[in-house]
Amino acid sequence: ETVLTQSPGTLSLSPGERATLSCRASQSVSSSHLAWYQQKPGQAPRVLIYGASSRATGIPDRFSGSGSGTDFTLTITRLEPEDFAVYYCQQYGSPWTFGQGTKVEIK
Amino acid sequence: QISLKESGPTLVKPTQTLTLTCTFSGFSLSTSGVGVGWIRQPPGKALEWLALIYWDDDKRYNPSLKSRLTIAKDTSRNQVVLTVTNMDPVDTATYYCAHRTLPDYFFDYWGQGTLVAVSS
Repeated sequence: ETVLTQSPGTLSLSPGERATLSCRASQSVSSSHLAWYQQKPGQAPRVLIYGASSRATGIPDRFSGSGSGTDFTLTITRLEPEDFAVYYCQQYGSPWTFGQGTKVEIK
Repeated sequence: QISLKESGPTLVKPTQTLTLTCTFSGFSLSTSGVGVGWIRQPPGKALEWLALIYWDDDKRYNPSLKSRLTIAKDTSRNQVVLTVTNMDPVDTATYYCAHRTLPDYFFDYWGQGTLVAVSS
């Protein structure tokens, strides 16, 4: 099983600031198999990024993904009030696995 | 447009079997490449993938829970059913169903989730 470790656990930032979230895999993951989700309280997750760097339909361009192998990054260039949420990375495999999440909170 | 909705009991007793139904619209599980999966999330914790079923009846399970899970589809009723045997308080979670289309490697549409508590 591929374990995904996200860091930091919590990111305290102000609106307008840049957020950099990390997802590290216990073994190499194909870039095409890595996705990022956003989850707000009481809501289901929403896919933001797939294939490590492709934005899903309707996702603003302030969200970007990068990385390969075992290290992947989600960047939010300028935080908007609606971006404060929990973010999860996910990899396709046997089994599919998710990271433990990074909470982006208002400072 | 695609939508999914989970239904089932909100409370089950330890050792009981949980049966959840995902009713969907906007797509057919008889269409090549389509799959429906189940993912759960204990309160305040991370997501955990449970199972997936595909248009061709191929079924995939999380090995850590495989002995307790069964997934099945009813194409004519646009439903996917997940059963979890021998429920325990640690299985308390929000259970989501979600849509996948091959060759994508992510879930693009999710249900709202249903919270299931396990308690005597």
